[in-house]
Amino acid sequence: QSVLTQPPSASGTPGQRVTISCSGSSSNIGSNTVNWYQQLPGTAPKLLIYGNNQRPSGVPDRFSGSKSGTSASLAISGLQSEDEADYYCAAWDDSLNAWVFGGGTKLTVL
Amino acid sequence: EVQLVESGGGLVQPGRSLRLSCAASGFTFDDYAMHWVRQAPGKGLEWVSGISWNSGSIGYADSVKGRFTISRDNAKNSLYLQMNSLRAEDTAFYYCAKGGSYEVNWYFDLWGRGTLVTVSS
Repeated sequence: QSVLTQPPSASGTPGQRVTISCSGSSSNIGSNTVNWYQQLPGTAPKLLIYGNNQRPSGVPDRFSGSKSGTSASLAISGLQSEDEADYYCAAWDDSLNAWVFGGGTKLTVL
Repeated sequence: EVQLVESGGGLVQPGRSLRLSCAASGFTFDDYAMHWVRQAPGKGLEWVSGISWNSGSIGYADSVKGRFTISRDNAKNSLYLQMNSLRAEDTAFYYCAKGGSYEVNWYFDLWGRGTLVTVSS
């Protein structure tokens, strides 16, 4: 059971906009920033969004993040086949003094 | 080239020990916190441990506390994970990850390719 809650799956067709939610609590998302990681099949995770809504260099602006209270969302617009991957949210937890992850969302591009 | 390369994984019997290493290159190693994150086959990500730039702040997941020890050698640009009393549930890919800043509560902005640890008799 993950500390952060994500839907196990999401899907969309090319060109569509898809959102993935991440729900936490006051000790993690409620008091710290949220980061998102993309894991393409058979590869290591990669930082996608940090500080709730900041994109590292090289990440397309089709990817955006937001946070409100104890929840966060990742939005992918103009969906492409290469976006098919697992997506994880993560935040520092002040009560656990540990990093916590969501269980991951498998995105399928139909 | 900026990269992290893990080594030391393999097949080990329950109750035995294993030491993982991570070699860093392409950035100023001692400016950043470092972490170990694992992923059981077909499962999600789990943070294992993190260490600040000067080893002054160290944290562990409850699942490994008392069994695993993280350390770093800034002179060798290397990160280590000593794993004792291994259990079947420790079977996973272990990723080395670079922190975004010097303390452990920043995001992970660079990941290695991982090394597989299999605990089985």
